[in-house]
Amino acid sequence: EAQVTQNPRYLITVTGKKLTVTCSQNMNHEYMSWYRQDPGLGLRQIYYSMNVEVTDKGDVPEGYKVSRKEKRNFPLILESPSPNQTSLYFCASSLGVRGGQNSPLHFGNGTRLTVT
Amino acid sequence: AQSVSQHNHHVILSEAASLELGCNYSYGGTVNLFWYVQYPGQHLQLLLKYFSGDPLVKGIKGFEAEFIKSKFSFNLRKPSVQWSDTAEYFCAVISLTDSWGKLQFGAGTQVVVTP
Repeated sequence: EAQVTQNPRYLITVTGKKLTVTCSQNMNHEYMSWYRQDPGLGLRQIYYSMNVEVTDKGDVPEGYKVSRKEKRNFPLILESPSPNQTSLYFCASSLGVRGGQNSPLHFGNGTRLTVT
Repeated sequence: AQSVSQHNHHVILSEAASLELGCNYSYGGTVNLFWYVQYPGQHLQLLLKYFSGDPLVKGIKGFEAEFIKSKFSFNLRKPSVQWSDTAEYFCAVISLTDSWGKLQFGAGTQVVVTP
């Protein structure tokens, strides 16, 4: 089954303790992206990747890191989490641009992170 | 700055009523437009998309949207809603000219359909 898998689904941690949220897709998609969803703000892009070893900042990259060493994986790293990073996080992937058009995103089920 | 605006944050309506959700964007140039839906406790799913051609696009579950280039709008409609349409709806825009790779979402509209 084609899917985007995020782990964990729920995570409670303390300020300053490094954490990684994993994201894996089995559709051979080139494009992957991380979003955070906050009430009243919709989804805001954190980082995205056009392909292996190609990543770029989205609208709210501060406090986050990503890597794209393999096509299928795109982990999100919080080196020193803070309470303002408490949010619902979604990973998404797509085929990227085909024929000059952007392929729709496939979303993971989300990771609800609480930083105390 | 480029932006995506959804006019209503919350909409409450009865079953069988018609629904229209507004979406405006400020991008110049060629854009791809999307509507996504998020049912309670679930991830986002694609409702419909516009790339080019006929400005009236039909999606899943009886939804449709109209692209009006002159108004920079992409409004979502459904003639008769059902209780199962209760969800949050997001408009999303990506410019092929200015910021390739950076899909931008609106703030979302929470729709509640009462029986």
